Amino acid sequence: DTEVTQTPKHLVMGMTNKKSLKCEQHMGHRAMYWYKQKAKKPPELMFVYSYEKLSINESVPSRFSPECPNSSLLNLHLHALQPEDSALYLCASSQDKWDRGIYGYTFGSGTRLTVV
Amino acid sequence: DQQVKQNSPSLSVQEGRISILNCDYTNSMFDYFLWYKKYPAEGPTFLISISSIKDKNEDGRFTVFLNKSAKHLSLHIVPSQPGDSAVYFCAASGRSNFGNEKLTFGTGTRLTIIP
Repeated sequence: DTEVTQTPKHLVMGMTNKKSLKCEQHMGHRAMYWYKQKAKKPPELMFVYSYEKLSINESVPSRFSPECPNSSLLNLHLHALQPEDSALYLCASSQDKWDRGIYGYTFGSGTRLTVV
Repeated sequence: DQQVKQNSPSLSVQEGRISILNCDYTNSMFDYFLWYKKYPAEGPTFLISISSIKDKNEDGRFTVFLNKSAKHLSLHIVPSQPGDSAVYFCAASGRSNFGNEKLTFGTGTRLTIIP
């Protein structure tokens, strides 16, 4: 299994809703990432998890709350989002956080989030 | 402050010809570079990478060239095929103790191969 699976593929939520994005990989990778991509912009790093521990938080607002329950799963809990948070949210994994993407990160297909 | 730049938002190339995608970076602490390809509604797919100790890396139809003095890299695809039509992102990571845990992406170049 060489895939990163993200669910749901699309999500529409109101500004008072609570929702979660899920990401799963079974490649034995020990680093997992959340990236955010706005239209016509490059992916921007949000969080890095290494061996199930939060390694990097790129000053992301607290309305985004990551969670790594085990080495295969990564969640992103969403609460009280703003319309400007609408974007494609990409999950990725790599062998570990120090491999510098030498073998390339494996990305999921993303969750297209719309906040109304 | 865009540390990795792809100045051509789009590029059209005839099928069978060479496609050359360019990328410039500003930070000399970057020492590993990667190219990703992205189709609509899919995540980026890793294509090829190069370490700063090399100036060329080749994998099938894809070759990446690195000019460290100019802080410039390019991706050559030859021959170009219709399936190569996608958005291509250049990405960089840094040395230990500087950002080697993350990739910094360029803004992307949309490549269209004309049959």
